[in-house]
Amino acid sequence: GAGVSQSPSNKVTEKGKDVELRCDPISGHTALYWYRQSLGQGLEFLIYFQGNSAPDKSGLPSDRFSAERTGGSVSTLTIQRTQQEDSAVYLCASSLIPGGTYEQYFGPGTRLTVT
Amino acid sequence: SQQGEEDPQALSIQEGENATMNCSYKTSINNLQWYRQNSGRGLVHLILIRSNEREKHSGRLRVTLDTSKKSSSLLITASRAADTASYFCATDNNDYKLSFGAGTTVTVRA
Repeated sequence: GAGVSQSPSNKVTEKGKDVELRCDPISGHTALYWYRQSLGQGLEFLIYFQGNSAPDKSGLPSDRFSAERTGGSVSTLTIQRTQQEDSAVYLCASSLIPGGTYEQYFGPGTRLTVT
Repeated sequence: SQQGEEDPQALSIQEGENATMNCSYKTSINNLQWYRQNSGRGLVHLILIRSNEREKHSGRLRVTLDTSKKSSSLLITASRAADTASYFCATDNNDYKLSFGAGTTVTVRA
């Protein structure tokens, strides 16, 4: 079956512009995660959605970052007034059941470059 | 913040050799997972080991967990060129968040 998909795969934007990154999780997966990976680094947790519960936004680095998940499926991560330090690969993952006990399936990521 | 720390940061081996990398973490965990990442893009889940397990095998992979030392190791036997990737450990601190280390970059030379 289809895995997690993300779009765009690459995005180059000018400093100060807003960007939207999209994630389509695996159908039926209730949990959705966004991570950020800077060059040569591990993954930094950003936000977590589970069903209709309020998302855990504790990892968002600033109020320029926001995310929503419509209908319990597709999620959009929005970065307003982008800065050069926002350049990174943004990874989305989903899992069938929430919790670290269960495997997370990752999308291919969106490479964001802010010039 | 990252809880897991992989060691070494980079590893270069000849095809057919074994590759061993380690992961240390700070707080108690429910389980530990290892992921592989090719070309800086999506991660692929390799194996999960629970806190009450000491060793687990999956194909050419062998994972050990020592909760008293708060460490885990991943062994890849009979390495292949396709094993060239970055490997990350991720720990579950009794909630849904996974904490990833910075990874070990493995290069398998033909």
